[in-house]
Amino acid sequence: KQEVTQIPAALSVPEGENLVLNCSFTDSAIYNLQWFRQDPGKGLTSLLLIQSSQREQTSGRLNASLDKSSGRSTLYIAASQPGDSATYLCAVRRGAQKLVFGQGTRLTINP
Amino acid sequence: NAGVTQTPKFQVLKTGQSMTLQCAQDMNHEYMSWYRQDPGMGLRLIHYSVGAGITDQGEVPNGYNVSRSTTEDFPLRLLSAAPSQTSVYFCASNRGGGDEQFFGPGTRLTVL
Repeated sequence: KQEVTQIPAALSVPEGENLVLNCSFTDSAIYNLQWFRQDPGKGLTSLLLIQSSQREQTSGRLNASLDKSSGRSTLYIAASQPGDSATYLCAVRRGAQKLVFGQGTRLTINP
Repeated sequence: NAGVTQTPKFQVLKTGQSMTLQCAQDMNHEYMSWYRQDPGMGLRLIHYSVGAGITDQGEVPNGYNVSRSTTEDFPLRLLSAAPSQTSVYFCASNRGGGDEQFFGPGTRLTVL
């Protein structure tokens, strides 16, 4: 059974710092991995999608990497801002439509 | 595009009542899914559809029913609500099986 773990569960850093969020998964047979952001009381916003054949994807200040063999993905946020405060979720796709989610990392950026 | 829309935003039910959570998307996506999000459990897949007329069970399907008569709509029916179904429900859609998934704003359901 695929399990997805995100550590730490919560992270607080001062504004301007670069930071890395971690995601690990137990079964390397995945189609892709997707990172989401969720603001309190809101839905999920897609940030980046990495296909299993890719090593990384970039969007603005965000960079996500994927190492299937070790079952790990990281989300790098450069020059963090208070508006980046949210819960970040990673999800791996196995099978046609089965996304398995981690529990998320709650990120707080302090001004 | 409105993306994925869900109604209602909030709902309170009594045990044993039935109701339908509505989900619609205007992106012409073939794939649609329903998830529930619970503290400590994360998001879990309830049911999904890979096209009009085709549905399948996810991880936690018991107590829920779905149908997909059009590409745009994917309603979720609670047949006889139970307190264990108190949760936040999210609908999502994607163009194909390996494509980016887009989520609706959610429905917060409380069953008393």
